[in-house]
Amino acid sequence: NAGVTQTPKFRILKIGQSMTLQCAQDMNHNYMYWYRQDPGMGLKLIYYSVGAGITDKGEVPNGYNVSRSTTEDFPLRLELAAPSQTSVYFCASSYTSGKNTGELFFGEGSRLTVL
Amino acid sequence: KNQVEQSPQSLIILEGKNCTLQCNYTVSPFSNLRWYKQDTGRGPVSLTIMTFSENTKSNGRYTATLDADTKQSSLHITASQLSDSASYICVVSPSGANNLFFGTGTRLTVIP
Repeated sequence: NAGVTQTPKFRILKIGQSMTLQCAQDMNHNYMYWYRQDPGMGLKLIYYSVGAGITDKGEVPNGYNVSRSTTEDFPLRLELAAPSQTSVYFCASSYTSGKNTGELFFGEGSRLTVL
Repeated sequence: KNQVEQSPQSLIILEGKNCTLQCNYTVSPFSNLRWYKQDTGRGPVSLTIMTFSENTKSNGRYTATLDADTKQSSLHITASQLSDSASYICVVSPSGANNLFFGTGTRLTVIP
């Protein structure tokens, strides 16, 4: 099993450009999450999904959009990139929700720089 | 306000020595507490998950403790190895919510 796969690993964007971070998991998990990790800060939840067709905002959703058309895929869309979106982005998945004891499996991360 | 605070921010120890990392939280109501290990440039990997009723859990040389009354947890690493060099992140889950609250981590460096 590949687990959680994120692409790309690195990307440089110019201000105002758009892009999509891809995330796929092969564990048949219902729950998927997007986090960002800034230096010296804890991971912050951007968006999450409890199943195909269902998404909801997390703590820091502004400037991002998501979709969940299949169980496996959970892409994160950045519209009109801003320097404040420079960060490392992690996709994660779990069989049950975080409020239960479902273990989270993380991807390797996507490092995004907006110049 | 739901917060997770970890100490120390960073720690350097000699290979073979033991160490203890601390986590204090104000998240309420409490569901579970997790410790993750994050190697540089990698995603976090789960070490332990403890619920309200559990006060200790081990995973090899890693032993986590939880005191839900004082809202404190610790991660004890025994006989450290060079491969233990990483950030260790404490994560608390409130009941009734899908969000998790992450600490900023303790950066551990094990030197030979």
